[in-house]
Amino acid sequence: DGGITQSPKYLFRKEGQNVTLSCEQNLNHDAMYWYRQDPGQGLRLIYYSQIVNDFQKGDIAEGYSVSREKKESFPLTVTSAQKNPTAFYLCASSIDGEWEQYFGPGTRLTVT
Amino acid sequence: DAKTTQPTSMDCAEGRAANLPCNHSTISGNEYVYWYRQIHSQGPQYIIHGLKNNETNEMASLIITEDRKSSTLILPHATLRDTAVYYCIVRVPPMDSNYQLIWGAGTKLIIKP
Repeated sequence: DGGITQSPKYLFRKEGQNVTLSCEQNLNHDAMYWYRQDPGQGLRLIYYSQIVNDFQKGDIAEGYSVSREKKESFPLTVTSAQKNPTAFYLCASSIDGEWEQYFGPGTRLTVT
Repeated sequence: DAKTTQPTSMDCAEGRAANLPCNHSTISGNEYVYWYRQIHSQGPQYIIHGLKNNETNEMASLIITEDRKSSTLILPHATLRDTAVYYCIVRVPPMDSNYQLIWGAGTKLIIKP
């Protein structure tokens, strides 16, 4: 079955540690996205990538980094510079230029 | 900031039509209206989109007013599985944009037995 996988579903880290969230898709989509969602709020775009080896900052990129070495993979690193990293992180993909974004199940990160 | 306004929450009886309103009074001529929904702790799911004509698919219908300042998403026969947060989003066509979808807080729709 085609889709987007994110792992792990729950992640716990100590403050000051970097952590990398995985996102893999087998939909052959060119575009991939990372969003952050805080309780009771909508999604906010962190980074997006339209093509391999290229990515753009979204509204809230500070404290995050990404890479796009393969079409299928778009990992997100939450660095120690991110002041409030505890959140629900969602990865999505789409056919370049198409309407529908397909979302993964999300990773809930808790930093204490 | 989100360019849409939605009620915070709504209830609907199972089997009835659920009508979810959205105001987008500042919508531009080339901006489309999108709807997504998010079941608790899952990733959002695309429902439907439209520009100015009414649209229907297997999930829902989208009614856009003639002045395009508001729209209504209709779930014709709501089931308990339709309980979710519904997001109304306006955006320019994908080829014309920087891929930003501006998400508001959405409407929490609760379907009651």
